[in-house]
This record gives sequence, C-alpha cells and structure tokens, in this order.
Amino acid sequence: QQQVKQSPQSLIVQKGGISIINCAYENTAFDYFPWYQQFPGKGPALLIAIRPDVSEKKEGRFTISFNKSAKQFSLHIMDSQPGDSATYFCAASSTDKLIFGTGTRLQVFP
Amino acid sequence: ETGVTQSPTHLIKTRGQQVTLRCSSQSGHNTVSWYQQALGQGPQFIFQYYREEENGRGNFPPRFSGLQFPNYSSELNVNALELDDSALYLCASSLGDRKNSPLHFGNGTRLTVT
Repeated sequence: QQQVKQSPQSLIVQKGGISIINCAYENTAFDYFPWYQQFPGKGPALLIAIRPDVSEKKEGRFTISFNKSAKQFSLHIMDSQPGDSATYFCAASSTDKLIFGTGTRLQVFP
Repeated sequence: ETGVTQSPTHLIKTRGQQVTLRCSSQSGHNTVSWYQQALGQGPQFIFQYYREEENGRGNFPPRFSGLQFPNYSSELNVNALELDDSALYLCASSLGDRKNSPLHFGNGTRLTVT
C-alpha cells in the first residue's frame, strides 16, 4: 500500500516532442505528489508538485495531471529538449516521508 | 543561500566496518531527512530529524542511526556494514514547521562496501 508504481522505465523522445511519465499509488492518505529530476552525479531536484485538490498544475513546459479517482498522476514535458535528458522520479507522501517511484530515464535526441 | 552539502562525496569501506556520513542543511532549514538510493532505484527513506529529535523512520535496521546537531547539521552512522549497504546516501533538508515543505537534496555520498 506504500508503493508508488512508475512507468515507463525508460523513454526516448525526439527534440520538440512530448514526454509523458505515469505513476500510480494505492494509499489514499497520500496528499502531496512531487516530481523530482536527477542528473548523473547529482541529488534529486524538485521540479513540480501537486496536491489532490486540483487536477492539473502547469509550470512552464512541465505539467502534472492528477486523477484522484484512478489514483494516478502523470508528468508531461512539452517541447522536450536535450537538456531535459535525466532521470525523473515521482513521489507521494502523507507525512514528510516521501515514497519514490523507481524512476524513468528520459533521453531527448536532437 | 547555501544549499545542502554532504561529505565525503565517495567512500570505500570493508564489510563489518562502521561509517559516518555528514550533512549540512540549507540555511534556515530545521529538518533533515536521509535516503538510500541503490543503483537504478528510487531513494528509500531511512529517517528524519526535526529539531534534534528523530521524527520518523523507514524500514531500516537499528545499525542505521543518526544525529542532528543544534545547528541542524546531521550525521548518518552505519555499523557492521554489509555489501548491500553499497548505495548513494542522500541528505535532504526542509522547513519542518510546515507540512510537506519541499525537500532540498544534497548530491549524496557514494558508499561502496567491499
């Protein structure tokens, strides 16, 4: 019940395309859903986060879509750029303890 | 604003030894969380310290212990190292007075146990 399932494991997108990463959870007590971006040799950095009282949040090229009834949320990266190539983690929490997904390695080719 | 800094960046230890990892939290943050990230996996929560007290623990054995100091810096200690302890250890600081305050991660300590 504490798991967060993330897919796909890896994703290859052409420059300018849309990258979509999906996550699903079971614990209905989760009330905070952040996405983190991690480059090789670096720690994860917060990208964008959403709470379950909204269905969508957009910051620049990054959008979170949230479906409370399906217990799913996704990250959309519009106009993907080579600089977006990184590993992306979804996470969820009901306290200050984050439960992370297993990560998606995104590669954006020019 | 100073970010989260961790030391050392890399460490090699032998099975059975003990290790201490250090973390300086971001200025103004009073909460430190430690995570273990195995290769190709997402970070796993070890424990959290708020104002020098342990404030939550994940599914890790007691040989994983920690401390938080009055300046909010922190240490992670691991006794009786096992090969499976090889991982990237991440420290994250936050403002614990506010629920779900964003976590700011350091770049981690890469621990290799041989």
